[in-house]
Amino acid sequence: DGGITQSPKYLFRKEGQNVTLSCEQNLNHDAMYWYRQDPGQGLRLIYYSQIVNDFQKGDIAEGYSVSREKKESFPLTVTSAQKNPTAFYLCASSRWRVENTEAFFGQGTRLTVV
Amino acid sequence: GDSVTQMEGPVTLSEEACLTINCTYTATGYPSLFWYVQYPGEGLQLLLKATKADDKGSNKGFEATYRKETTSFHLEKGSVQVSDSAVYFCALSDLAGGTSYGKLTFGQGTILTVHP
Repeated sequence: DGGITQSPKYLFRKEGQNVTLSCEQNLNHDAMYWYRQDPGQGLRLIYYSQIVNDFQKGDIAEGYSVSREKKESFPLTVTSAQKNPTAFYLCASSRWRVENTEAFFGQGTRLTVV
Repeated sequence: GDSVTQMEGPVTLSEEACLTINCTYTATGYPSLFWYVQYPGEGLQLLLKATKADDKGSNKGFEATYRKETTSFHLEKGSVQVSDSAVYFCALSDLAGGTSYGKLTFGQGTILTVHP
């Protein structure tokens, strides 16, 4: 089955630690995205990448970093500089600038700072 | 910049009631419009979409019409079921900036609860 796999489903982080969230897709999509979801605020774009070895900041990139070394993978690192990292993180992928296409989402990772 | 505004929630209905969730948008170009649904503890699934003015998207009994004159994309269903209980997100994607359909601007989401 084609799709997007995010891991882990739940993640706990101590204050001051960096953590990395995994996102893998086998849809052969060029573009991948990371969104953050907070209650009552919808989803906000953190970073996106349209091609390997290239990525752009979204609306709330501060305190996060990404890499895109392979087409299938787009890991997100939540650094200690992120002041309020507790949230639900969603990864998505899509074809790039193709008519009548859509974004596909993973099942999400819930990150909690303890 | 682009923005999406959804009606205040949550919405609580009895089974077989009619549903309308309002969505209005602001965009500089000619966006495509989407409704996504999120079931508890899961990611988002595309419910329906419309890519140009006057298009009607439909799926699983849900419908929404792209109204350019009122900048709206309201979600409707004639008879809801308990299984429709979820969070519904209105979203837009504007290709004018050279991006793609995955770079989405979301509304804040509307929680729908349907009781038997």
